[in-house]
Amino acid sequence: KQEVTQIPAALSVPEGENLVLNCSFTDSAIYNLQWFRQDPGKGLTSLLLIQSSQREQTSGRLNASLDKSSGRSTLYIAASQPGDSATYLCAVKDIGAGSYQLTFGKGTKLSVIP
Amino acid sequence: NAGVMQNPRHLVRRRGQEARLRCSPMKGHSHVYWYRQLPEEGLKFMVYLQKENIIDESGMPKERFSAEFPKEGPSILRIQQVVRGDSAAYFCASSPTGADSSYNEQFFGPGTRLTVL
Repeated sequence: KQEVTQIPAALSVPEGENLVLNCSFTDSAIYNLQWFRQDPGKGLTSLLLIQSSQREQTSGRLNASLDKSSGRSTLYIAASQPGDSATYLCAVKDIGAGSYQLTFGKGTKLSVIP
Repeated sequence: NAGVMQNPRHLVRRRGQEARLRCSPMKGHSHVYWYRQLPEEGLKFMVYLQKENIIDESGMPKERFSAEFPKEGPSILRIQQVVRGDSAAYFCASSPTGADSSYNEQFFGPGTRLTVL
């Protein structure tokens, strides 16, 4: 059974700092990995989706990497801003039975201090 | 092109009442997924439906919970005789055809926050 872990559970950084969020998963047989942002009381916004054949994806100040063999992904946020404060979720899509469902981590709650 | 819509956004029920949560998928999407997020927990898959068919309900509690996606209208997640432990955020996602492919992305709605008093 796939398990997704995100470390740290919470992170507080001063504005302008670069930061890295970590995600690990136990079963490397995945189609893809996705990073989401969740604001309090709101839905999920997809940030980046990395296919299993890819090593990284970039969007603006965000860069996500994937090392499938070691079961790890990182989300790098450059020059953090207070507006980046949110909970960041990592999710994987497994290959095989039940391959349509996403398995989520519990998230990392990021606070960027002005 | 509207995204996934869910209503109501907030729902308050007393123990023993019924809760009905609605989800309208994105235009052109025929696959719907429901996830539940308990307080301080990650999202957990509940059920996957196509029009008029339940494909997988392995994540759904065996009792009191049911889901449907009729030929016309939104998908409905129904919780009978709610208990306090049902308090959670319920998210719906939709995708175009080919749900088990690598390139089939799920798009999430804003969620319904259920509070059971």
